[in-house]
Amino acid sequence: SQTIHQWPATLVQPVGSPLSLECTVEGTSNPNLYWYRQAAGRGLQLLFYSVGIGQISSEVPQNLSASRPQDRQFILSSKKLLLSDSGFYLCAWSAGTGSRYEQYFGPGTRLTVT
Amino acid sequence: AQRVTQPEKLLSVFKGAPVELKCNYSYSGSPELFWYVQYSRQRLQLLLRHISRESIKGFTADLNKGETSFHLKKPFAQEEDSAMYYCALTPSGGYNKLIFGAGTRLAVHP
Repeated sequence: SQTIHQWPATLVQPVGSPLSLECTVEGTSNPNLYWYRQAAGRGLQLLFYSVGIGQISSEVPQNLSASRPQDRQFILSSKKLLLSDSGFYLCAWSAGTGSRYEQYFGPGTRLTVT
Repeated sequence: AQRVTQPEKLLSVFKGAPVELKCNYSYSGSPELFWYVQYSRQRLQLLLRHISRESIKGFTADLNKGETSFHLKKPFAQEEDSAMYYCALTPSGGYNKLIFGAGTRLAVHP
């Protein structure tokens, strides 16, 4: 069966420090991958999605970047964190493109920038 | 602009009472609407989608295009329904980008 992992589960980082969050999927190949962020009191917002290795689409301009170095690995990065980067980050995958493909979510990473 | 609004942060009911979680959306085309749920210490998961016209765990949701609403309903709430509920839409066509509302926490008391 397919599983999705995220780490770390929680992270506290000072302003200006770098960031690397990792997401991996098992049990499937060529998944669509997604990064979402939930800021306090707000809904989940799509940050990036990827339909294949090296293919990244950004939804909103921001201080973050994403990479997909392997088929089932999706990394969220920042060179210098801002206070506004604090939030709950969720990775998700789907088997294809189109709303009939359900998105499956990871456990999330809670990031606090101090 | 594409937007999903869930006006209630918290909905508190007693077991056996009817439940209605409100969701309104703003989208000029024909979106597809979903309800996602997150139970305590579990992952966010799909509850139901409007296109399937299904009832899951006793919950139903009807898309009302005139009122641009997709409210989630259950006639008799159970304690195990306590969770965070998110309404989401996917714009028609293209990849399945999800636009989420802020969520409503449902608390069902014994």
